[in-house]
Amino acid sequence: DSGVTQTPKHLITATGQRVTLRCSPRSGDLSVYWYQQSLDQGLQFLIQYYNGEERAKGNILERFSAQQFPDLHSELNLSSLELGDSALYFCASSESGRKPDTQYFGPGTRLTVL
Amino acid sequence: AQSVTQLDSHVSVSEGTPVLLRCNYSSSYSPSLFWYVQHPNKGLQLLLKYTSAATLVKGINGFEAEFKKSETSFHLTKPSAHMSDAAEYFCVVNRGGSTLGRLYFGRGTQLTVWP
Repeated sequence: DSGVTQTPKHLITATGQRVTLRCSPRSGDLSVYWYQQSLDQGLQFLIQYYNGEERAKGNILERFSAQQFPDLHSELNLSSLELGDSALYFCASSESGRKPDTQYFGPGTRLTVL
Repeated sequence: AQSVTQLDSHVSVSEGTPVLLRCNYSSSYSPSLFWYVQHPNKGLQLLLKYTSAATLVKGINGFEAEFKKSETSFHLTKPSAHMSDAAEYFCVVNRGGSTLGRLYFGRGTQLTVWP
């Protein structure tokens, strides 16, 4: 158990809908990262937050957004969902994000868009 | 440009024989390198990491990896495979510099262990 929790574990929804994925980092970690794992793209970095502020952005679509709250938990919002958004979404956390910290991964949320 | 290349998408070994999973990386800075393992329907677990200390890194479950700068490689090895090692393995690089917070993942190597 990494100490990173993600909810829900599974999510099934329809095209055009909006969903919110939630992540709680390990105790004391200030950075949260979101990754998407799909069969065609592999594991890709989406976005990083550090202590409530966006720190780095990767291959995140404009339909997707994220935020980190004062209690350091994070939410990833996916809107106008398409079939191709079906994937496993991982959250990771690290101590600071100001150096190459080890990132600890949650169990993931499996999103299925029908 | 690809940051991490895992040279084999599938590796099959017999239980008790050595395991070699190959990885090459590219980075303009001194990278941090990691191997993560993903068991079916599970999250990613850190096996080991290299952060510019000793070039031979020991990890959990008997795995180790050697950082070879001249070859830009970070191959993962284990002397004797166990059935429980069957999983997908990811070589991962943190390139540092302006992309400090971002991990780059290889496409993964599926390890099958035969009894």
